[in-house]
Amino acid sequence: SQELEQSPQSLIVQEGKNLTINCTSSKTLYGLYWYKQKYGEGLIFLMMLQKGGEEKSHEKITAKLDEKKQQSSLHITASQPSHAGIYLCGADPHGGAQKLVFGQGTRLTINP
Amino acid sequence: GAVVSQHPSRVICKSGTSVKIECRSLDFQATTMFWYRQFPKQSLMLMATSNEGSKATYEQGVEKDKFLINHASLTLSTLTVTSAHPEDSSFYICSARFHRTYEQYFGPGTRLTVT
Repeated sequence: SQELEQSPQSLIVQEGKNLTINCTSSKTLYGLYWYKQKYGEGLIFLMMLQKGGEEKSHEKITAKLDEKKQQSSLHITASQPSHAGIYLCGADPHGGAQKLVFGQGTRLTINP
Repeated sequence: GAVVSQHPSRVICKSGTSVKIECRSLDFQATTMFWYRQFPKQSLMLMATSNEGSKATYEQGVEKDKFLINHASLTLSTLTVTSAHPEDSSFYICSARFHRTYEQYFGPGTRLTVT
């Protein structure tokens, strides 16, 4: 089965600083999803990346998919308190956008 | 757009009773919905895939007779926890797949507490 490893598991940064979260897969990534979750709440869809070195940006968040390395990164520029939360990467293990498997999450704290 | 709702957001029930959780895609049709379970400080665990008009597909180790799933329409899937026990207490989250882009959108979750 496909496993996703996120790093770091937790991250504390000063407001205004940049940060990167990585998601590494044990198998080929057919589709990679990034979500943000606040404790006890649902997941907010951030971005979906498909094969081929794709890169997407939304506001101050950029996600990249490197298929050769079986890795995706999520980069936040000039972090704000609103960015705090748990970031989860999810992968489509078989293609066809069926069920997702998730990494263990990265807990991001932004210090003012 | 792409909003998924869940009802109720919180429910407390007694052991032995059944609880139904609804998952609705509000502004799009979803032929496929998914039900996840999340324990405190852990990631999501897929329980089952719900397909409109057909039987749900359960993940290994998930009791289909205990967690009944019905996907009666293109916008509604329900999860019924039957004969609930305290160990069923958890955070249940559904997602709906947008058929055009394959993006998956999640509901806000339902916290179930079984006393």
